[in-house]
Amino acid sequence: EVQLVESGGGLLKPGGSLRLSCILSGVRYSDAWMSWVRQAPGKGLEWVGRIKSKGSGGTIDYAAPVKGRFTISRDDSKNTLFLQMNSLKTDDTAVYYCAWVEKAPSSMSTWGQGTLVTVSS
Amino acid sequence: QSVLTQPPSASGTPGQRVTISCSGGSSNIGSNSVDWYQQLPGAAPKLLFYPNNQRPSGVPDRFSGSKSGTSASLAISGLQSDDEADYYCAAWDDNLNGYVFGPGTKVTVL
Repeated sequence: EVQLVESGGGLLKPGGSLRLSCILSGVRYSDAWMSWVRQAPGKGLEWVGRIKSKGSGGTIDYAAPVKGRFTISRDDSKNTLFLQMNSLKTDDTAVYYCAWVEKAPSSMSTWGQGTLVTVSS
Repeated sequence: QSVLTQPPSASGTPGQRVTISCSGGSSNIGSNSVDWYQQLPGAAPKLLFYPNNQRPSGVPDRFSGSKSGTSASLAISGLQSDDEADYYCAAWDDNLNGYVFGPGTKVTVL
């Protein structure tokens, strides 16, 4: 069974930084393309970014609202995906999901449980 | 404003067929596959179809998807109370070089 477990959410002030982690099990992580998606309270889904496997070039793509502030990375030795979030704004308050992109370019068939990030002064 | 448009709500009685539309453009639906996700209250989203329109295991065949040009639609036949959820369409957008979600459609079973 494919599973994703996220961690790292919390409450912080505008301008702060936070790193989220996501561990994938049940598939060969090194071959996996992974994405982050967020959902603000009471709002719809918003794609944050995607990282391809190293075998597919390791390309990372970001949504415009987070480009330059957020960084997606991976540690294949630990089956772990990361989302480093800097210069956080109140608009970044959301539940953040990591997801496994099972079918290219972005069909996400397995999602984590989500972790809440609250940015507030 | 999303580049994909969906009606905010849809409803039906148990057993009815409900259809949700998703309209986009040439850079997204017109040139890439469309994904549909179901999000039950308080839960993570769930993929309803793979790009070839096959369903992941556990997704009943009451759900079907179609695409024509720059529009797509999701049909739910034999509507059940368990189908009350938010439904999102999504597609890769070649102009934005990113994945875009529609605003979501809330399905209510009357």
